[in-house]
Amino acid sequence: DGGITQSPKYLFRKEGQNVTLSCEQNLNHDAMYWYRQDPGQGLRLIYYSQIVNDFQKGDIAEGYSVSREKKESFPLTVTSAQKNPTAFYLCASSGTGRETQYFGPGTRLLVL
Amino acid sequence: GNSVTQMEGPVTLSEEAFLTINCTYTATGYPSLFWYVQYPGEGLQLLLKATKADDKGSNKGFEATYRKETTSFHLEKGSVQVSDSAVYFCALNRNSGNTPLVFGKGTRLSVIA
Repeated sequence: DGGITQSPKYLFRKEGQNVTLSCEQNLNHDAMYWYRQDPGQGLRLIYYSQIVNDFQKGDIAEGYSVSREKKESFPLTVTSAQKNPTAFYLCASSGTGRETQYFGPGTRLLVL
Repeated sequence: GNSVTQMEGPVTLSEEAFLTINCTYTATGYPSLFWYVQYPGEGLQLLLKATKADDKGSNKGFEATYRKETTSFHLEKGSVQVSDSAVYFCALNRNSGNTPLVFGKGTRLSVIA
């Protein structure tokens, strides 16, 4: 089946620790996105990538980093510089043109 | 800049009631408009979309019409079911091509039997 997978479903971070959230898609989409969701806040854009080996900061990039070495994969690292990382993280992808974005099931990050 | 404003929830309805969730937008150019639905603990699913003025998107009994003159894209359903309980997000493309979406804050709908 084609789709987007995110792992893990739940992730726990200790103080001062970097953690990496995985996002993989087999839809052959060029563009991938990371959004953060907080209660009552809607979705906010962290980073996005329109092509392999290139990515742009979104509205709340501070404390996060990404890489796009393969078309299928767009991992997000939450660094120790992100002081309030507890949130639901959603990865999405889209094809060419003004296309719909398709979302993964999300990763919930909690701080110990 | 581009923005989306949707009615705040929560919205609580009885089964078979009529649903309207208001969404208005501010944008330069001619964005595509979307409604997404999120069930508890899950990612977002596309519900419907419209790509130009006067287009009507529809799916699973939900409808929304792209109104350029009022910059609106209100979501409607004639008879809601308990299974429609979820959070609904209105969104638009920031620009043409593969560009990020701008989301409203979401409206939580609860349907009671």
